[in-house]
Amino acid sequence: QVQLQESGPGLVKPSQTLSLTCTVSGGSINNDNYYWSWIRQPAGKGLEWVGRIYTSGSTNYNPSLKSRVTISIDTSKNQFSLKLSSVTAADTAVYFCARTYSRDGMDVWGQGTTVTVSS
Amino acid sequence: DIQLTQSPSFLSASVGDRVTITCRASQGISSYVAWYQQKPGKAPKFLIYAASTLQSGVPSRFSGSGSGTEFTLTISSLQPEDFATYYCQQLNSYPLTFGPGTKVDIK
Repeated sequence: QVQLQESGPGLVKPSQTLSLTCTVSGGSINNDNYYWSWIRQPAGKGLEWVGRIYTSGSTNYNPSLKSRVTISIDTSKNQFSLKLSSVTAADTAVYFCARTYSRDGMDVWGQGTTVTVSS
Repeated sequence: DIQLTQSPSFLSASVGDRVTITCRASQGISSYVAWYQQKPGKAPKFLIYAASTLQSGVPSRFSGSGSGTEFTLTISSLQPEDFATYYCQQLNSYPLTFGPGTKVDIK
């Protein structure tokens, strides 16, 4: 079955760029039935959708982050990535990647990776 | 942006209880609602899509209903493994948004 795994630095300095990768295994990322999302969750708080990408490269971002976020996809590596620039302590969170089917929902999630923004 | 509210934000219940969580949207979202269950330290688990369709493998004690602006998640007979936080999500329009969550705790 399809599995997702986040990877990237667990500690990022303020004003720098957070970079995470989600590796898809057990299936191809190059599937027009799905798109690929990033979601984050600060400790003890709720879920916040960051953005999504289709295999075509088309993206949508949360307006609250839009000027700082970039999501890209590498179908040859079965991976998609998140870059969030000019980070502050408010970006400290668990970051999840997820597969999304149409307008149904996020049916497969990575386990999440904790990113702390601190000097 | 479409805002989602959930009520209650916290509920205390016993094994075997029937539990209902309500999710309200700030504007109509047809039936583009999903429900998730999250346990501490874990990723959310996909329970229901299209407001009322049970995801494969999810126990039948879970059910969803609603359309437009009001939606409900019902657990017909609460089991020990159901104590968790539940989130609704709207997929009608971008940005996708989640409700603030409902924590179901043991009475």
